[in-house]
Amino acid sequence: AQTVTQSQPEMSVQEAETVTLSCTYDTSESDYYLFWYKQPPSRQMILVIRQEAYKQQNATENRFSVNFQKAAKSFSLKISDSQLGDAAMYFCAYRSVHAGGTSYGKLTFGQGTILTVHP
Amino acid sequence: DAGVTQSPTHLIKTRGQHVTLRCSPISGHKSVSWYQQVLGQGPQFIFQYYEKEERGRGNFPDRFSARQFPNYSSELNVNALLLGDSALYLCASSLVTDSYTEAFFGQGTRLTVV
Repeated sequence: AQTVTQSQPEMSVQEAETVTLSCTYDTSESDYYLFWYKQPPSRQMILVIRQEAYKQQNATENRFSVNFQKAAKSFSLKISDSQLGDAAMYFCAYRSVHAGGTSYGKLTFGQGTILTVHP
Repeated sequence: DAGVTQSPTHLIKTRGQHVTLRCSPISGHKSVSWYQQVLGQGPQFIFQYYEKEERGRGNFPDRFSARQFPNYSSELNVNALLLGDSALYLCASSLVTDSYTEAFFGQGTRLTVV
């Protein structure tokens, strides 16, 4: 079974600065997808960025980018020019490409990191 | 277009009761998944339904069941509620079941069991 670990329960950053959230995962699969989701106090999970494991190039979405290290099974999220609206709980998630049986469609989430942005 | 809608938003039940949570996916989405998020933890996968059939099931007891209707809306049922069932229940919809397809989440139902 796959596991996702986020070792930073809380992080803080000054507005306009850069912060990196860590995520490691454990899997025996070679093909999979990784995601970062944001959950603000409104509770709705919002997709921030996603990465296909077969792609060596790190994904970027505006101020958000990832550092994907497949051999190390590491998938960190970098937020540049942090804004007050970035404050939220961030979850790293894993999904199998070829999931079958009872794991079909399953997203496996980490424990989350609470990000605070100081003005 | 409306996003994923869940009802009710909050619910208080007594131990031993039964509860039904409802989810309406984004129009055109045929896949619905359910997750349980206990306070301070990440969501845990409960079920996935696609085209009205169960396609995935997480490690939850048989007290948890779900179904998907012809209009692709879904219900999650929990019988014989326990205090430990208190959590935020999230519904996610996606166009298809492809692993790369974005899952869109609703705002969840906060269930409190007393």
